[in-house]
Amino acid sequence: DAGVIQSPRHEVTEMGQEVTLRCKPISGHNSLFWYRQTMMRGLELLIYFNNNVPIDDSGMPEDRFSAKMPNASFSTLKIQPSEPRDSAVYFCASSLSANQPQHFGDGTRLSIL
Amino acid sequence: SQKIEQNSEALNIQEGKTATLTCNYTNYSPAYLQWYRQDPGRGPVFLLLIRENEKEKRKERLKVTFDTTLKQSLFHITASQPADSATYLCALERNQGGKLIFGQGTELSVKP
Repeated sequence: DAGVIQSPRHEVTEMGQEVTLRCKPISGHNSLFWYRQTMMRGLELLIYFNNNVPIDDSGMPEDRFSAKMPNASFSTLKIQPSEPRDSAVYFCASSLSANQPQHFGDGTRLSIL
Repeated sequence: SQKIEQNSEALNIQEGKTATLTCNYTNYSPAYLQWYRQDPGRGPVFLLLIRENEKEKRKERLKVTFDTTLKQSLFHITASQPADSATYLCALERNQGGKLIFGQGTELSVKP
């Protein structure tokens, strides 16, 4: 039973570059969440989708961040241009439906130099 | 604004004892609360969900309580084992759409 799959696991890139993080949710799950985790701010929700439709993007830091879910089995989080303060671990999670327990991937550790 | 507080200091206990972790919240009345476990380098793993009309929920050695008057949840691990060492996160439902607000987590260390 495959869990939530994220790629890449690690990404190191220079400031100003475009970064794309990918997520494959658990098959049959209708809700998908993107989180960012840092020591200072903990685990923060960036955006979530229900049935591929963005529901709440109030946690997206600024216009440099964008997320898409073109179909039920794939989502991307893009940062363009990237900045050093974007360095964090980014998690994707999915759930059967809203208000159900969330299943997390193992995250992408992003370092912006 | 919504605020969630968990013990900021690490909790160190002896194997076999009961670990008790606290989650306090303000300015909101969530319909449910969840507890997750996170190991280093891994994503959080769901443990238990408790609803506002439930006072207590158990799963094997785990027990969660939810006091909506005190705005507090307690998470207990009985007969603790070194393998229980991890960071434990509480999360409050923020709206009906499944949005969760997470606490900062409490690091638990169980010594043999």
